[in-house]
Amino acid sequence: ELKVEQNPLFLSMQEGKNYTIYCNYSTTSDRLYWYRQDPGKSLESLFVLLSNGAVKQEGRLMASLDTKARLSTLHITAAVHDLSATYFCAVDSRGRDDKIIFGKGTRLHILP
Amino acid sequence: DVKVTQSSRYLVKRTGEKVFLECVQDMDHENMFWYRQDPGLGLRLIYFSYDVKMKEKGDIPEGYSVSREKKERFSLILESASTNQTSMYLCASGIAEISSYEQYFGPGTRLTVT
Repeated sequence: ELKVEQNPLFLSMQEGKNYTIYCNYSTTSDRLYWYRQDPGKSLESLFVLLSNGAVKQEGRLMASLDTKARLSTLHITAAVHDLSATYFCAVDSRGRDDKIIFGKGTRLHILP
Repeated sequence: DVKVTQSSRYLVKRTGEKVFLECVQDMDHENMFWYRQDPGLGLRLIYFSYDVKMKEKGDIPEGYSVSREKKERFSLILESASTNQTSMYLCASGIAEISSYEQYFGPGTRLTVT
């Protein structure tokens, strides 16, 4: 059974600092997704990582995937208040019943 | 842009009522999904569908059923609503490509069962 664990689940940080959110998963997969959710709103797709070593960047966010370690990271550079949100990673379960399994989310609060 | 719409943003129902949550997508996606989101539990998959009239149970299907009579519409049904079904319900759709199963989410329906 595929399990997806994120840590930390809650992060409070000051503007201008760097930090990393980690996403570990338990079985083989080479497709990983990062989503952002603002309070009261739905999920917005940020990154789709499709192979080992994949790295994608948009603005102050950079996501990477290491399929051998079963680990993805979402790195925040010089955080700004607008990045406050909940971030979810999700992993494709592969196999006959393909479905995406979500982590519990990391609630990021950036202090001005 | 992909658009996924849900019939209601907020819904209040009484225990025992039959509840229908509707989801429509306009991108001709094969795959559609229903999740519920609860604090501390993340997103949990209730049911999904890979084609018209096709459905598969997710991780927490008990107390729910679904209907997909048309490709663009996926309905979640609570046969007899209970208070533990108070939650945020999110619908998603996606294409079934070998390279990616990225999902696009609707705005959500916050259901309260009293």
